[in-house]
Amino acid sequence: EAQVTQNPRYLITVTGKKLTVTCSQNMNHEYMSWYRQDPGLGLRQIYYSMNVEVTDKGDVPEGYKVSRKEKRNFPLILESPSPNQTSLYFCASSVERPSTDTQYFGPGTRLTVL
Amino acid sequence: QQQVKQSPQSLIVQKGGISIINCAYENTAFDYFPWYQQFPGKGPALLIAIRPDVSEKKEGRFTISFNKSAKQFSLHIMDSQPGDSATYFCAASTMSARQLTFGSGTQLTVLP
Repeated sequence: EAQVTQNPRYLITVTGKKLTVTCSQNMNHEYMSWYRQDPGLGLRQIYYSMNVEVTDKGDVPEGYKVSRKEKRNFPLILESPSPNQTSLYFCASSVERPSTDTQYFGPGTRLTVL
Repeated sequence: QQQVKQSPQSLIVQKGGISIINCAYENTAFDYFPWYQQFPGKGPALLIAIRPDVSEKKEGRFTISFNKSAKQFSLHIMDSQPGDSATYFCAASTMSARQLTFGSGTQLTVLP
């Protein structure tokens, strides 16, 4: 089944404790992206990647890191999480850029930073 | 900053009614306007999309209307059903862009 998977689905952590949210897609997509969803703010892009080893900042990159060492994986790293990073996070992928191709979203990761 | 303004934030409609969600944009270079549908506990999924060479696109009960001069586009859901209850996001982009700009979302509730 073609899909985008994220792990973990739920995470409660404390301020300053490094964490990684994994994202994997099995559709051989070039483009991958991370979004955060907050009430009243919609979906805001954190980082995106056009291909392996090619990453770029989205609209809200502060406090986040990403890497794209393999085509299928695009982990999101919070090296020192803070309470304002409490949010619902989505990974997404598309064949090429999302302005020309359907973006497929993962099921989401709900993160709480205490 | 490129923005897409979406309204209303929430919408309650009776079963069988018409749901209308509106979006307005500022960047006249935008030429791709998708709508994503998100059910509770799930990720968003593409519902329908339009390019500005047409003023309307219909897929089943879902229709996008596009007004280029007003820089507005809207989603109409005819004969709304309880199963349509979800959050709807409009978005916009240019063909060459590497990102979509999303609206703030509309939570639709269709009462049985």
